[in-house]
Amino acid sequence: QKEVEQNSGPLSVPEGAIASLNCTYSDRGSQSFFWYRQYSGKSPELIMSIYSNGDKEDGRFTAQLNKASQYVSLLIRDSQPSDSATYLCAVNQETSGSRLTFGEGTQLTVNP
Amino acid sequence: GAVVSQHPSRVICKSGTSVKIECRSLDFQATTMFWYRQFPKQSLMLMATSNEGSKATYEQGVEKDKFLINHASLTLSTLTVTSAHPEDSSFYICSARLGPSSQPQHFGDGTRLSIL
Repeated sequence: QKEVEQNSGPLSVPEGAIASLNCTYSDRGSQSFFWYRQYSGKSPELIMSIYSNGDKEDGRFTAQLNKASQYVSLLIRDSQPSDSATYLCAVNQETSGSRLTFGEGTQLTVNP
Repeated sequence: GAVVSQHPSRVICKSGTSVKIECRSLDFQATTMFWYRQFPKQSLMLMATSNEGSKATYEQGVEKDKFLINHASLTLSTLTVTSAHPEDSSFYICSARLGPSSQPQHFGDGTRLSIL
């Protein structure tokens, strides 16, 4: 089992739809969770941080965390073609010390 | 806020050359900086973690003598790829973090290294 696992994708949604990106993690003691967006050929940029169970909203983005299920997700409402990118789930696992453990990423394409 | 500058953005050089990459946190003091490399269509691979004033901690399989890391101040870390060869060609990305591991990492723009 991978430490941080994401839907491999690619995920394709029409413009205006909700894109749902999922991530599971293995270390039950994890406390900090992050979503990054990476455009092709560019470096990752932070979209959301989430630390507590429940939903956290920032504009069109909503992160959801369920520690009991070891599951974190990212919803993108009113998806735009400019949202087309690879989305990386990152977890600060208790067993990893200072490091972040990244998932393999989910490639999202929003079709006009 | 949380801007990380990485320079140069692209390097093309001959085999055997040593290449130095700089990573600066512009508007915050980074307690910890990280160096990653990324191959096409793959996720980030952590190479090393560095804290200001102390030796870097390298991940398993990463050669310390090949990839020299210096973290001289709270705003600057450098990665030197010594005697680079074509297999070292990759996308190198630094990140910086303010505070404890619960805080996010902020990434530089990356350096695309091509060794001929």
